[in-house]
Amino acid sequence: DQQVKQNSPSLSVQEGRISILNCDYTNSMFDYFLWYKKYPAEGPTFLISISSIKDKNEDGRFTVFLNKSAKHLSLHIVPSQPGDSAVYFCAADAGNNRKLIWGLGTSLAVNP
Amino acid sequence: NAGVTQTPKFQVLKTGQSMTLQCAQDMNHNSMYWYRQDPGMGLRLIYYSASEGTTDKGEVPNGYNVSRLNKREFSLRLESAAPSQTSVYFCASSDYHLRDRGSEQPQHFGDGTRLSIL
Repeated sequence: DQQVKQNSPSLSVQEGRISILNCDYTNSMFDYFLWYKKYPAEGPTFLISISSIKDKNEDGRFTVFLNKSAKHLSLHIVPSQPGDSAVYFCAADAGNNRKLIWGLGTSLAVNP
Repeated sequence: NAGVTQTPKFQVLKTGQSMTLQCAQDMNHNSMYWYRQDPGMGLRLIYYSASEGTTDKGEVPNGYNVSRLNKREFSLRLESAAPSQTSVYFCASSDYHLRDRGSEQPQHFGDGTRLSIL
């Protein structure tokens, strides 16, 4: 059973518009969430994170929102750029020695 | 500034052969991890090492062994390769030691080893 779900395998957005990537989780013990970005033939790179004691974290064009009651988080990218085209993974941490639980990823295509 | 280095980048094996995937990090991180990524499966943890001298099983440890050689190096061994182990393998490291809210230490990944087993 998938504890971290990214229900959209792919997303296509026009350059300059907002990209919204979604992630749902089932385990209420998760208390830290991370987003990673992955280009083909490279390893994932850390993008942004959020603690469960917050509902929003912002870093430049990237903002992550957390709705604990709905067990839902989202990553907003504004404005989207062609270089943002990548696979985005949501991961959750239950604090047990940093064994992250990963979603299956959403492939984002930003079209010029 | 290499970060996490994995060798080899590509490998083709025959069923039953053995091989060791190497991983080294130069960030003085205490924790290291091995993952595999398969199409439609996301990243799955094989083994991890919370600190030098310790190793623990992850989600999918069967068919693998690991060695935390020193703080820098963490190797993954396939003793008798099987076609089901065809995958992309990623090594990662982090400075996780104590839970410290608000100061999350993310995992840093290597570029992967693409392994095919015929």
